[in-house]
Amino acid sequence: DIQMTQSPSTLSASVGDRVTITCRASQSISSWLAWYQQKPGKAPKLLIYKASSLESGVPSRFSGSGSGTEFTLTISSLQPDDFATYYCQQYNSYPLTFGQGTKVEIK
Amino acid sequence: EVQLVESGGGLVQPGGSLRLSCSASGFTFSSYAMHWVRQAPGKGLEYVSAISSNGGSTYYADSVKGRFTISRDNSKNTLYLQMSSLRAEDTAVYYCVKDRAAVAGLGTYFDYWGQGTLVTVSS
Repeated sequence: DIQMTQSPSTLSASVGDRVTITCRASQSISSWLAWYQQKPGKAPKLLIYKASSLESGVPSRFSGSGSGTEFTLTISSLQPDDFATYYCQQYNSYPLTFGQGTKVEIK
Repeated sequence: EVQLVESGGGLVQPGGSLRLSCSASGFTFSSYAMHWVRQAPGKGLEYVSAISSNGGSTYYADSVKGRFTISRDNSKNTLYLQMSSLRAEDTAVYYCVKDRAAVAGLGTYFDYWGQGTLVTVSS
């Protein structure tokens, strides 16, 4: 199974900050990576697919990069609505696996 | 508008059974693989099971293999998860999830999620 490891687990930031979350795969997954945002009590929402493709309707302050085993999700200017937990997910092979999540908190 | 509405969750004793349903609308259900993903209270996302668009292929995580059965009825636009021999560690919110691509096979990533249904396994 491909293990996905996110860092940090928790991130404290202020509105307007540039935020970067890292996701590492235990083996190469090419660009087969998605990012999701989840708010408390809600279902996850797709943000990014194929490592860097922005889902329709997602604000352009979100961006993704990387390939192989190392990936990043960047929020260029953190907004109040962005405080949430973020998950990466690989779809290179089954079983599909998620990272453990990164909680973005208000500083 | 795509809608996925889960039902069937509840409290069940260890060793018991439960069947979850997911009613889908707003897209051509029979063209997409579908998935179940769960989330234990306060924990992260765990992939559970997948079924191809025609139901011919299925996948199960090792943690549920032999105990859970995924199925679908394309005539009713409904996805199911039959759960048996339930354990305390199966306690979670179960999400019905739509695959992004209308392709054959088990699918890749997810563009729509239901609101989730809570399954609690406890005596």
